[in-house]
Amino acid sequence: EPEVTQTPSHQVTQMGQEVILRCVPISNHLYFYWYRQILGQKVEFLVSFYNNEISEKSEIFDDQFSVERPDGSNFTLKIRSTKLEDSAMYFCASARDRGAGNTIYFGEGSWLTVV
Amino acid sequence: SQQGEEDPQALSIQEGENATMNCSYKTSINNLQWYRQNSGRGLVHLILIRSNEREKHSGRLRVTLDTSKKSSSLLITASRAADTASYFCATDKNTDKLIFGTGTRLQVFP
Repeated sequence: EPEVTQTPSHQVTQMGQEVILRCVPISNHLYFYWYRQILGQKVEFLVSFYNNEISEKSEIFDDQFSVERPDGSNFTLKIRSTKLEDSAMYFCASARDRGAGNTIYFGEGSWLTVV
Repeated sequence: SQQGEEDPQALSIQEGENATMNCSYKTSINNLQWYRQNSGRGLVHLILIRSNEREKHSGRLRVTLDTSKKSSSLLITASRAADTASYFCATDKNTDKLIFGTGTRLQVFP
């Protein structure tokens, strides 16, 4: 069964460093998402992306965050200057059709630890 | 704003018993989905129910939706130790984003 794959599975980074989290969505999907889950807390929406542009973003997704689809398969989340509070599990997700009413498939996540 | 709250926060049962988890939300929705998460792992989609539906089944899962009470329930019948996980509801309303609930941690003892 096709799946969303994410790399790295775990990354430890120094505060202030840039981090890029990578995702390969399911191949025929057109809508892409990033969510995050701080340890012990809810899963939170960060951003949705369609047709090479952001379609919606949350308050969390400030100027320190950016997303990109550099080629036909990868979807990346960049955090320019990491803060301690960015430590979380980051989930990439994709969907074939528009809107959260269609099944959204999540990857296994990338644990980010900022020290 | 929408918010999903599951109860109970934690549930422990014996294998073979049924597990019922509830989700309440505050504003109107288009759809409600249930996800499962094993500890430290990704989110696995279980079932989606639309606002005009009242009940859906998928294998041992039964989901109900009561839009008048703004609540949903997830029933897992004949539970197995492998069902041990956290279960989340997630809602959407005319946007791309899912709003997740706080989750129920289910422990099934063999």
